[in-house]
Amino acid sequence: GAVVSQHPSRVICKSGTSVKIECRSLDFQATTMFWYRQFPKQSLMLMATSNEGSKATYEQGVEKDKFLINHASLTLSTLTVTSAHPEDSSFYICSASVIGTDTQYFGPGTRLTVL
Amino acid sequence: EDKVVQSPLSLVVHEGDTVTLNCSYEVTNFRSLLWYKQEKKAPTFLFMLTSSGIEKKSGRLSSILDKKELFSILNITATQTGDSAVYLCAVDVQGAQKLVFGQGTRLTINP
Repeated sequence: GAVVSQHPSRVICKSGTSVKIECRSLDFQATTMFWYRQFPKQSLMLMATSNEGSKATYEQGVEKDKFLINHASLTLSTLTVTSAHPEDSSFYICSASVIGTDTQYFGPGTRLTVL
Repeated sequence: EDKVVQSPLSLVVHEGDTVTLNCSYEVTNFRSLLWYKQEKKAPTFLFMLTSSGIEKKSGRLSSILDKKELFSILNITATQTGDSAVYLCAVDVQGAQKLVFGQGTRLTINP
């Protein structure tokens, strides 16, 4: 149980385009989903916390107009990287909390490469 | 500022050795401490610790928390090459609804 999927697993795009990444909890409902970014050989950095039906809470230094998060249902959150630039190239990971517990379950991640 | 520090950052041992990974933390409102193993993709959950002194065990892996000294250790006995990974420690901060991650320990097990 507690499986989280992400789509796509890998995306390559041109500079200036927008990229949408989906995060789904497959077999449970998640009131809260989290978006992380991980640069090579570095730890996970929380970007934002997303609660179903409300606006996401962004961490300091993360541009909310650039990284649009939508948490439309209890099983789906999306992260859109708008006007992507090469410095946005990274590994983006989502996680979801099972309702009533503290444990976060991670998706497999999406590797974004911006040319 | 909430902070989680892991040591060592990198460790190389031979198969069969026992390793101890360290995680210390300073957070405003501790709720729990979690250990994850990260290979090529996203982290996989290992343990969640909330109480001091109670060892959690799963096969060759075990972990314990000391809430007085604000640290946790992750032990791996009889290491195998498949244990090679980055081990991440994270603290769940109560009220903040977020995990604060340490830098990770890159463990390499040589045959």
